[in-house]
Amino acid sequence: GQQLNQSPQSMFIQEGEDVSMNCTSSSIFNTWLWYKQEPGEGPVLLIALYKAGELTSNGRLTAQFGITRKDSFLNISASIPSDVGIYFCAGQDAGGTSYGKLTFGQGTILTVHP
Amino acid sequence: KAGVTQTPRYLIKTRGQQVTLSCSPISGHRSVSWYQQTPGQGLQFLFEYFSETQRNKGNFPGRFSGRQFSNSRSEMNVSTLELGDSALYLCASRTTNTGELFFGEGSRLTVL
Repeated sequence: GQQLNQSPQSMFIQEGEDVSMNCTSSSIFNTWLWYKQEPGEGPVLLIALYKAGELTSNGRLTAQFGITRKDSFLNISASIPSDVGIYFCAGQDAGGTSYGKLTFGQGTILTVHP
Repeated sequence: KAGVTQTPRYLIKTRGQQVTLSCSPISGHRSVSWYQQTPGQGLQFLFEYFSETQRNKGNFPGRFSGRQFSNSRSEMNVSTLELGDSALYLCASRTTNTGELFFGEGSRLTVL
């Protein structure tokens, strides 16, 4: 099935470092969502973006909706061990009947060394 | 407020059998979506239900089906199981006015 191109696939960083990951698509999306998934659990919503150019923060997390509407970025500042997990981007088509259908990136596996 | 609840959490089936998974959405959420997660294909959209009607369907064979009840609870069924159906099946719910999906912990299906 269709997927977004998410990079990097994995990251190994030291505690305290900043992290950046991004997603690109050949299609335009009206909404971008960022999720984090830990082993044995479902994805947890981190940030939702609804407007091109929008920059939104959630604590140490900051995400941006690309101007072209074909990309999005997630930054994590001052990483801590509990940031470990898999981060997914997800794009969503126009509203109405398409809201429940997300197209996911392949995920970025984040490892933080104390 | 309780989150999305999925049952069972784990189950093992053999090829050819069928399976039914259940999902209770967040209270007040009327839309329920189902996703399949595998190491090879990642997260793939199965279908979405709203007010007991299927509104969207992903690219899965007809062996995969679902339904939604009047209380918004949803079930999905997979018939004639194949080894490749082994996966984590995730249910997500949302309100009608936003695109923010909230996921349950999933049902881990193993087909032997």
